[in-house]
Formats: sequence, C-alpha cells, structure tokens
Amino acid sequence: GQNIDQPTEMTATEGAIVQINCTYQTSGFNGLFWYQQHAGEAPTFLSYNVLDGLEEKGRFSSFLSRSKGYSYLLLKELQMKDSASYLCAVMDSNYQLIWGAGTKLIIKP
Amino acid sequence: GAVVSQHPSRVICKSGTSVKIECRSLDFQATTMFWYRQFPKQSLMLMATSNEGSKATYEQGVEKDKFLINHASLTLSTLTVTSAHPEDSSFYICSAASGTNSYEQYFGPGTRLTVT
Repeated sequence: GQNIDQPTEMTATEGAIVQINCTYQTSGFNGLFWYQQHAGEAPTFLSYNVLDGLEEKGRFSSFLSRSKGYSYLLLKELQMKDSASYLCAVMDSNYQLIWGAGTKLIIKP
Repeated sequence: GAVVSQHPSRVICKSGTSVKIECRSLDFQATTMFWYRQFPKQSLMLMATSNEGSKATYEQGVEKDKFLINHASLTLSTLTVTSAHPEDSSFYICSAASGTNSYEQYFGPGTRLTVT
C-alpha cells in the first residue's frame, strides 16, 4: 500500500528553527509537495521537490532523498503566524497526490 | 498567480436536503478539477477527479450517486451532496489544474458543510 508518515504535532519557539520530517512509500514517484494549512482554510503550496537535494525559498527550505523515501521541511526564524498544519504529499505514478495526515506546528513566544 | 474560488464558504442544511458547491478557476482554464473532503484533524481525502466534458472518476468508497460532480466548462465544476446526512458534515475543498497531470494544483478556499 501507499503510505506517508509525518509527526502528528511539534512545538517550537518563536525565532527558532524547526524541521518537519516526512517518509513515504508509494507506487511510483513524480514529486513531493509541502503545503501549509491554517485551521479552517485550504492548503497553500509551499514547495515541490522532484530531484534529490535542498530547495530554498526564503525562510522555508525543503529537502528530498528519493533513495531513502525521505523529505523534510525546514522553517527558519519562526514567527507566530507559522503556527499551522504542514502537509506532505507525494505524486505517484498515476500523477495522483497521496497525502500525509499533516503535522500540527505550535509556535510558542 | 492562479486563483480558484469556492461558493459557498459555509453552509448549514437540514438532513435529507441537497447542497451544491461551486468551484471556479478565475484566471485560467482548468482541464482537471479535484474534489477533496477533510474531516477534523485528518488529511485531505480525494473524492473524485473530473475532466471538462467527461464523467468524473470517483475514488473507491465514494458514492457517485450521492456526490454528483459536473464539470461543464473549463472554469466551473460543481459538487452536489444529495440527501445530505450529519455524517456528510465536513470541509470540502476543490482544486484545479491546467495541465494534463495534477502537478499544478491550485486550491479553492474550501466549503464548510454542516448537516443538522
């Protein structure tokens, strides 16, 4: 079966750095996505990785290792507004998105 | 950037009635639209994929006669929840893609459905 694993919840301090991990087992791979979702809102796109390595975009970076079936989202200089759920999703061989359950990130002052 | 709208944003209906949710791509033509359902504290669950002018493809376990999807134009798809029951209460989200695969999915703001 297809499976996406990420921690249920994480807590971090304002101004700090946090890394959210995602491991996956899917039938085929056509890229990995990270989305941010605030409570009661739809997801918003953060990043897309299809090749191994690190993609940096401002305070957010995303890393992928296809051989390990592993990705992480790195958030730097955390702000209170970063409190949200972060969803990892993998596009399988049929170009369908397989979603993780999301990691709820709590930022404390 | 690509914008997708959904209407209504919130709806409360009585058990047994039907509710229609609209999803519109405002500044691009969406060849494919996706409908998701999300229960509290859970991830998105794909319900169906619809291509303009053809019948929707439903995921296993989703009743096509209960969740009617119409994708009549390149900018509009509708989801009708027929004979709604309290267990249908959920957050329904649509997304739209302009390409032939779902790589560039743009999400609507979602519709909160409460069935009393």
